Amino acid sequence: QKEVEQNSGPLSVPEGAIASLNCTYSDRGSQSFFWYRQYSGKSPELIMFIYSNGDKEDGRFTAQLNKASQYVSLLIRDSQPSDSATYLCAVNFNTGGFKTIFGAGTRLFVKA
Amino acid sequence: DGGITQSPKYLFRKEGQNVTLSCEQNLNHDAMYWYRQDPGQGLRLIYYSQIVNDFQKGDIAEGYSVSREKKESFPLTVTSAQKNPTAFYLCASKRTGNSNQPQHFGDGTRLSIL
Repeated sequence: QKEVEQNSGPLSVPEGAIASLNCTYSDRGSQSFFWYRQYSGKSPELIMFIYSNGDKEDGRFTAQLNKASQYVSLLIRDSQPSDSATYLCAVNFNTGGFKTIFGAGTRLFVKA
Repeated sequence: DGGITQSPKYLFRKEGQNVTLSCEQNLNHDAMYWYRQDPGQGLRLIYYSQIVNDFQKGDIAEGYSVSREKKESFPLTVTSAQKNPTAFYLCASKRTGNSNQPQHFGDGTRLSIL
């Protein structure tokens, strides 16, 4: 069973703080990892993706991948109230093709 | 602008009725997907298609049907056999099915029962 697990939250952080979102996955052979942001009532929007071990930074967002421990993290620096949303982690499992499994998401609240 | 267009935005179904949700993309993507999202839950895969005239069942295909007659279009029919159709339906695509690339989503269709 391919699984992607996230803490449902809500995670509450004050404005300007660092928000840290985590995701674990079950398949050690997974090669690609994605973070989507979903505002209430809207569709998911891709914000970050990472293919190899280490960190990837894009503006205020940093994705960290630890393949040995099978987890991927998203850090949001200088959190803003507009960052309040549900963050979905997605993992491509290699099943002959690539099957994408989505986590249930973590709700983030950034308090002004 | 390239993108994925879903219509309608809101849809109401009467008991015993089949309804069809439209998904069109102009990204020249081979692979297209349909997901269902229930409140507070993650995305569940209904059907997917990696190439024209071919599609496969996902994890919750019962009560749904699809077609893929054109590369650009992947309509989803919610049949009367689907007894709990109320949900947010999302269409996604990516360049090819056998790739590491991310999926991109349309704006979704919210389906409710009258």
